[in-house]
Amino acid sequence: EDQVTQSPEALRLQEGESSSLNCSYTVSGLRGLFWYRQDPGKGPEFLFTLYSAGEEKEKERLKATLTKKESFLHITAPKPEDSATYLCAVHKRGGNEKLTFGTGTRLTIIP
Amino acid sequence: NAGVTQTPKFQVLKTGQSMTLQCAQDMNHNSMYWYRQDPGMGLRLIYYSASEGTTDKGEVPNGYNVSRLNKREFSLRLESAAPSQTSVYFCASRVRGVEEKLFFGSGTQLSVL
Repeated sequence: EDQVTQSPEALRLQEGESSSLNCSYTVSGLRGLFWYRQDPGKGPEFLFTLYSAGEEKEKERLKATLTKKESFLHITAPKPEDSATYLCAVHKRGGNEKLTFGTGTRLTIIP
Repeated sequence: NAGVTQTPKFQVLKTGQSMTLQCAQDMNHNSMYWYRQDPGMGLRLIYYSASEGTTDKGEVPNGYNVSRLNKREFSLRLESAAPSQTSVYFCASRVRGVEEKLFFGSGTQLSVL
């Protein structure tokens, strides 16, 4: 069965203190790994899709990387507006529409 | 550009009542989805529609029905609500291309008493 485990569950950082969020996954044939950001009371907002090990993508202070077992979301010099829950999801190769989501990492950036 | 619009935002039902959650997208996407989000469990797929006129069960379909009314609209119906259906419901639509991505609505917070 496909599994996605995100760690830590919650992370508090000082403004400017860089860190990484982890997404470990088990899937028989990865079609894509997705990162989303979710603010309280809102729907998830797309950040990145990664397709193969070694791939990296960047957007402002965020950088996502992928290996065969896990993905990292690196946050460089975060600002308070980066506070949110970050969700990881995997899509299995084989045509099924189902994404398997992790439970998220709740990130708080303290000014 | 509105994206994915869901109504209502909040709803309280009594056990056994029925209701329909509405979803519309204005991005001309073929695929649409209904997810539920519960604390500690992550988003789970209820039903999806890969194209107009087709619907398929997801991970947790029991107690729900869906209708793909046209390319824009995808509704979720609870025929006889149960407390276990208390959750936050999200509709999403999907674009395929250079980078696959889901666009989510803002959610419906449903409480069944």
